[in-house]
Amino acid sequence: SYDLTQPPSVSVSPGQTARITCSGNALPKKYAHWYQQKSGQAPVLVIYEDNKRPSGIPERFSGSSSGTMATLTISGARVEDEGDYYCFSADSSGNRYWLFGGGTRLTVL
Amino acid sequence: EVQLLESGGALVQPGGSLRLSCAASGFTFSTYAMSWVRQAPGKGLEWVSAISSGGKPFYADSVKGRFTISRDNSKNTLILQMSSLRTEDTAIYYCAKYPDIAVDDAMDVWGQGTTVTVSS
Repeated sequence: SYDLTQPPSVSVSPGQTARITCSGNALPKKYAHWYQQKSGQAPVLVIYEDNKRPSGIPERFSGSSSGTMATLTISGARVEDEGDYYCFSADSSGNRYWLFGGGTRLTVL
Repeated sequence: EVQLLESGGALVQPGGSLRLSCAASGFTFSTYAMSWVRQAPGKGLEWVSAISSGGKPFYADSVKGRFTISRDNSKNTLILQMSSLRTEDTAIYYCAKYPDIAVDDAMDVWGQGTTVTVSS
């Protein structure tokens, strides 16, 4: 079965740049999307179609994708950016299913 | 304002059935694809099922044959009929909307979830 692989945790100091990666064999053909989930809350879309930012999402959030790896970058991370981040994408085998990466816990302190 | 409100979560025994609903408001429900995503306690997100605006369903392998997604456009309601429930189906179930008619992009709006517990 197809998997999307993320690091379990990333830690940065406030003001630093946080980078969260997502690896998957279908990413050269399929978009990566990114969700932020804070404790006890529903997920929020922060990046879609590799590098597009929904309205209301701060400019410090950006995305990129190259080959089999997609990256979410938070430039000048703030304490309020702490939470779990999930990549989301589709399988490219024709089976028509979608999946999330295992999630990355971002700590900013 | 776009809103999604899930309901129907409950405690159910293994092998039992449950029907979840998601009431949509603030947008033209019939013209958007919809989905269900779940999160087991302390675990990550898992895509469960989706349905296009035209009613074509898609399922994760983990629920195929046991869960049925449907939509009632006259009532602006998304439904997930769950049967043969297992303990591993215990999770918060989120309803989410796609930005278009097709199940081909990221879900852009989510509900707050409803809790399903499968236990004897």
